[in-house]
Amino acid sequence: GAGVSQSPSNKVTEKGKDVELRCDPISGHTALYWYRQSLGQGLEFLIYFQGNSAPDKSGLPSDRFSAERTGGSVSTLTIQRTQQEDSAVYLCASSDIPAGTDYGYTFGSGTRLTVV
Amino acid sequence: AQKITQTQPGMFVQEKEAVTLDCTYDTSDPSYGLFWYKQPSSGEMIFLIYQGSYDQQNATEGRYSLNFQKARKSANLVISASQLGDSAMYFCAMREPGGASYDKVIFGPGTSLSVIP
Repeated sequence: GAGVSQSPSNKVTEKGKDVELRCDPISGHTALYWYRQSLGQGLEFLIYFQGNSAPDKSGLPSDRFSAERTGGSVSTLTIQRTQQEDSAVYLCASSDIPAGTDYGYTFGSGTRLTVV
Repeated sequence: AQKITQTQPGMFVQEKEAVTLDCTYDTSDPSYGLFWYKQPSSGEMIFLIYQGSYDQQNATEGRYSLNFQKARKSANLVISASQLGDSAMYFCAMREPGGASYDKVIFGPGTSLSVIP
């Protein structure tokens, strides 16, 4: 596609339920990133995928969070047993590296997760 | 650990005036990249400008320029001739070094810019 697509755009879930957030990166982009942005805050790095390399999971806040990327394309971020503090906008981005990154990432529109 | 600091939580500027948004960073690696992103109220993240640590000249993109002071570890964004549409959150970010195959970017806390008519 022309841009990074994320679904759903909004998700309201009950505390304790599991949720899956989807990211469809720009075709051909080898790198995919998940960030979390809490209300009024900056972006918190969660996880990074690059080609077939092992993902960098160093930003995942707890073992309730996991992500996978199938076929080097679509990625799913799963949050198990959601808590109210998980409420945030989850942003996905992709880029074409390792060429010069002077054009930055391309971000999706995000998924706004609300845990009630 | 790498860190990005933006000391101005909120800024106001008169329309058509220039404004400087501050950013300092901390890294011990000589190779890194610096970015600025804009996030309007709609929530999308828009890439504005990039500066590589070895670039000799300050980056410019239209009304945006990056005042890169390497020795001070400073990468301030200058917006000339502010427009009402420039009202947004602005994030400074740094690509963590680690070779061509490692490209994680960390973000600062952001500065909220309001342009006054």
